[in-house]
Formats: sequence, structure tokens, C-alpha cells
Amino acid sequence: EVQLVQSGAEVKKPGESLKISCKGSGYSFTSYWIGWVRQMPGKGLEWMGIIYPGDSDTRYSPSFQGQVTISADKSISTAYLQWSSLKASDTAMYYCARTQWPFSSTSPFDYWGQGTLVTVSS
Amino acid sequence: QSALTQPASVSGSPGQSITISCTGTSSDVGGYNYVSWYQQHPGKAPKLMIYDVSKRPSGVSNRFSGSKSGNTASLTISGLQAEDEADYYCCSYAGSSTYWVFGGGTKLTVL
Repeated sequence: EVQLVQSGAEVKKPGESLKISCKGSGYSFTSYWIGWVRQMPGKGLEWMGIIYPGDSDTRYSPSFQGQVTISADKSISTAYLQWSSLKASDTAMYYCARTQWPFSSTSPFDYWGQGTLVTVSS
Repeated sequence: QSALTQPASVSGSPGQSITISCTGTSSDVGGYNYVSWYQQHPGKAPKLMIYDVSKRPSGVSNRFSGSKSGNTASLTISGLQAEDEADYYCCSYAGSSTYWVFGGGTKLTVL
């Protein structure tokens, strides 16, 4: 069974750093792209970026380029999303998701994690 | 402002059919046959309902169908059921610089 299990909710202060995780299981982790999607409170979905764990090839939405860093550790089948200096506007639910087809970055997301709620408040 | 435009809300009675539109440009919806639709119930992760404009993943009811004409994609749900009440998001591939863009979402109410 394919599963993506995300790390737990976080409460941080503005300016702090943060790294959240997404552990994949039940499939070949290095063969499928993993992406991150933001959902701000009461708002819609926003595509942030994707990574291919096989070689760490990473693509970002222009809206998120330079704002976050996506990485992966294939030895433990885990993808990450990190911030170096959080802002209140980073408060959101963050989902990781796997592409439907192996090797293909033009494939939609078919399996999703449960989401990680990040709250940034002073 | 979202890259793709969806109506904020639609509604229908049980058994009826509804259609949700998703309007983009020739750089996204109109340029690729990579439009997908996601269903999201409150407090839950999104679920893939349609991919590649009109294909259904295994396990998705055939009451859900997708189509595209020019720069506008559409999701049609026939035989509305109470469990269909949710938010629906379209998503389109937009080339190798932007990658994927979502619509703003449509809240479906089953009356």
C-alpha cells in the first residue's frame, strides 16, 4: 500500500527556521516525483514544487522559488520542505503528494500525505 | 489571484448534473492535455478525480467526467449524491518554467 506520512504540526515564531518531512512507503521512492502543495487557511491549493528523489532534480513554482527549499534523502525515503526564516504569511497546511506515473514530472498527484499544519505567530 | 479561473460555488439537487468550468490560457489549459481535477472534503487531503483532461483513476465513479475546449476545461458530475459535496480544484500543466497551476476552487453544494 502506497503511503505518504508527514511530520506533525508545528508552531513557530517569525524568523525561525523549519524543516517538515514526508516519508514514502509501499513503492519505489526513487522512481516517482514528490511535490509540495500549500493551502492557506480557508484558501485554495497552490503548487509549490517537486523533487525527483532518484537524483534530487528539483523544480519550483516561480511563486515559491527562493522562498522555500525542497530536498530528499532517498536512503530513508523521505522528502523535505524547509524555510530559513519563517513569516506569518507562511501559516498554512502543507501537503506532500506523489506523481501518478514514475519518472514523469508532467503527471498529476495521485497519493497525498495527511498534511502538516504550520503556524507562525509571535 | 489564481492562475486558473473557476466559479466560486455551484449547487445542484440529488440526481441532477452539474458542470464546473476552469478557464486558463493557451499557456496552460489550452496548450496541454494535462488537466486534472481534485476533490477535497473539509479537513481532508485532496483526491485525484480526473487526469489528462478526461481520464478517471481506478476507483473513481463514472459519474465524474472531464472535457476541454480551447482554454476552458470542465468537470461534470452526473447523478449528484450528498457525498459529492466538497471543494473541487482544477489543475493544469503550464510548461517547464511554471510547471503546474491550480484553479481557485469551486465549492459544490448538494441541496
